[in-house]
Amino acid sequence: KAGVTQTPRYLIKTRGQQVTLSCSPISGHRSVSWYQQTPGQGLQFLFEYFSETQRNKGNFPGRFSGRQFSNSRSEMNVSTLELGDSALYLCASSLESHGNYEQYFGPGTRLTVT
Amino acid sequence: AQRVTQPEKLLSVFKGAPVELKCNYSYSGSPELFWYVQYSRQRLQLLLRHISRESIKGFTADLNKGETSFHLKKPFAQEEDSAMYYCALSPKYQLIWGAGTKLIIKP
Repeated sequence: KAGVTQTPRYLIKTRGQQVTLSCSPISGHRSVSWYQQTPGQGLQFLFEYFSETQRNKGNFPGRFSGRQFSNSRSEMNVSTLELGDSALYLCASSLESHGNYEQYFGPGTRLTVT
Repeated sequence: AQRVTQPEKLLSVFKGAPVELKCNYSYSGSPELFWYVQYSRQRLQLLLRHISRESIKGFTADLNKGETSFHLKKPFAQEEDSAMYYCALSPKYQLIWGAGTKLIIKP
């Protein structure tokens, strides 16, 4: 099976702009989670979707949003970008529906905000 | 509060020596705990989950509810074990991560 894919792999944006990142889960996986990884804060949970429904959300401002489509592909959007949003954004998919996670990670999207 | 603590940012041991990566957690319910590993230039991947009680690549981890710990152990380190190791706790529908421990195995 193909692994989790994320596009684009690298992105450079300017403060104030918005960005959309995409994630395609492993075929058959219906749960998709997003994480932000930074050297200072480590891995932080953004949100999780299952069957197009957001089941959980981390402590991020409303500028961070996401959605999941009927084919389980997911997007996350960050509006009004700030310098502190520069990070590696990881997507992970899981087969399990009940929330106990063996997650499969994508390679990440490296976002740089200037 | 739900929290995972990995007290060591960096752990350096010689090849053939025992390895123990520490993980402590704070969680009020019955925890689901994992160890994930990231080798250089590779994706983050699952190493162990506590409910499976497996030994993967020679690593084991035992959940100690009394000490709220889930330490990762290997009796004889190998150079290919050098990587970043993350302990994670799974309350409902998310993973809470420790800060990670960079393990360096010296030849």
